[in-house]
Amino acid sequence: DAGVIQSPRHEVTEMGQEVTLRCKPISGHNSLFWYRQTMMRGLELLIYFNNNVPIDDSGMPEDRFSAKMPNASFSTLKIQPSEPRDSAVYFCASSTGLAGAYNEQFFGPGTRLTVL
Amino acid sequence: AQSVAQPEDQVNVAEGNPLTVKCTYSVSGNPYLFWYVQYPNRGLQFLLKYITGDNLVKGSYGFEAEFNKSQTSFHLKKPSALVSDSALYFCAVRDGNRDDKIIFGKGTRLHILP
Repeated sequence: DAGVIQSPRHEVTEMGQEVTLRCKPISGHNSLFWYRQTMMRGLELLIYFNNNVPIDDSGMPEDRFSAKMPNASFSTLKIQPSEPRDSAVYFCASSTGLAGAYNEQFFGPGTRLTVL
Repeated sequence: AQSVAQPEDQVNVAEGNPLTVKCTYSVSGNPYLFWYVQYPNRGLQFLLKYITGDNLVKGSYGFEAEFNKSQTSFHLKKPSALVSDSALYFCAVRDGNRDDKIIFGKGTRLHILP
């Protein structure tokens, strides 16, 4: 089992550029979560999908952020345009059940984003 | 609204001593409670969970947690700490009676001193 796969692992970009983060959930999992982790704000849930449908995107900071899940094995988180305050580690996680229910989430290794 | 609190930013314990990492929660319905651990430059890993049943839950790496409904707490414990237990620990809660998302605490950094 490869676990949750995220790419790239590190991304350095300049302010104003578009950034796309990618995630492949564990096969058979039907819930997918995007989180952002910073020292100041801790771990924040940005959005989650169930059966490829966005259920709650209330954590998405602003319109510059968008997420898609075109199929059960792939999701993207896009930031356009990026800003220095977007610098963080972005995690993708997956689980079985509706919105994770009482099932544990499996986290990917994260993407460390630095916006200069 | 549901919430979870980890009152200690950091906990220091000597190797071989028992450790406790504290967590309190607030939900309107029945709580689903979780502990996760994060090692440096890694994603979170699931340790254990309480859904229903016995108040004492055993998990990975020798960790356990006790659900205390009257004190609305779910403290993480281990009888004898290892240096390798040094990491960031997150408590999380979800209201089992509502279709709400899981909420993570701020995390507690555990330092095990050799």
